[in-house]
Amino acid sequence: EVQLVESGGGLVKPGGSLRLSCAASGFTFSSYSMNWVRQAPGKGLEWVSSISSSSSYIYYADSVKGRFTISRDNAKNSLYLQMNSLRAEDTAVYYCARDTTRDGYNLEDYWGQGTLVTVSS
Amino acid sequence: DIQMTQSPSSLSASVGDRVTITCRASQSISSYLNWYQQKPGKAPKLLIYAASSLQSGVPSRFSGSGSGTDFTLTISSLQPEDFATYYCQQSYSTPIFTFGPGTKVDIK
Repeated sequence: EVQLVESGGGLVKPGGSLRLSCAASGFTFSSYSMNWVRQAPGKGLEWVSSISSSSSYIYYADSVKGRFTISRDNAKNSLYLQMNSLRAEDTAVYYCARDTTRDGYNLEDYWGQGTLVTVSS
Repeated sequence: DIQMTQSPSSLSASVGDRVTITCRASQSISSYLNWYQQKPGKAPKLLIYAASSLQSGVPSRFSGSGSGTDFTLTISSLQPEDFATYYCQQSYSTPIFTFGPGTKVDIK
């Protein structure tokens, strides 16, 4: 059974840092690109960052570029998001999601349960 | 950047109703369009990919159609467990993808 379990969320002051983790199991983690997607309280979904299977390709939303760093450790079946210079507008539930391709179309077929990050003084 | 819009933003419907949600892209995205369902406090769940392909395990009352810039998600007969928020997502510019703002379906 595919499982994605996020951890590392919490309360942090503006300007602070936090590192999120996503532990993957039930599939060959090293074969899949992975994403972070966030959802501010009461708001919609926002793509944050993507990393290819071998970490060769990394992308960020403009809203987090230069502040967040995505990484992965395929030996540990884990995905990470290092968040620095946090702002109030970064407050959200952060989901990790597996990216797959079917018939040439990309989709996110498995999602974790999310971890809440609250940025407040 | 490709922008996604959805209409309506919310709707009220009864069990058994036929429900249609529309999603529009700011430029042609061919069939690179996915639909997700999200219930409160839960992660999104993939329903439809490639505009019209049903994800494994998803009931056949869900269907998707469209290509280019205009897409629809249809629930043929609304069930109690279908009350949720629905998001479209374009994967044309993958791995940079964008979601629509969502459509909340609640009980009339």
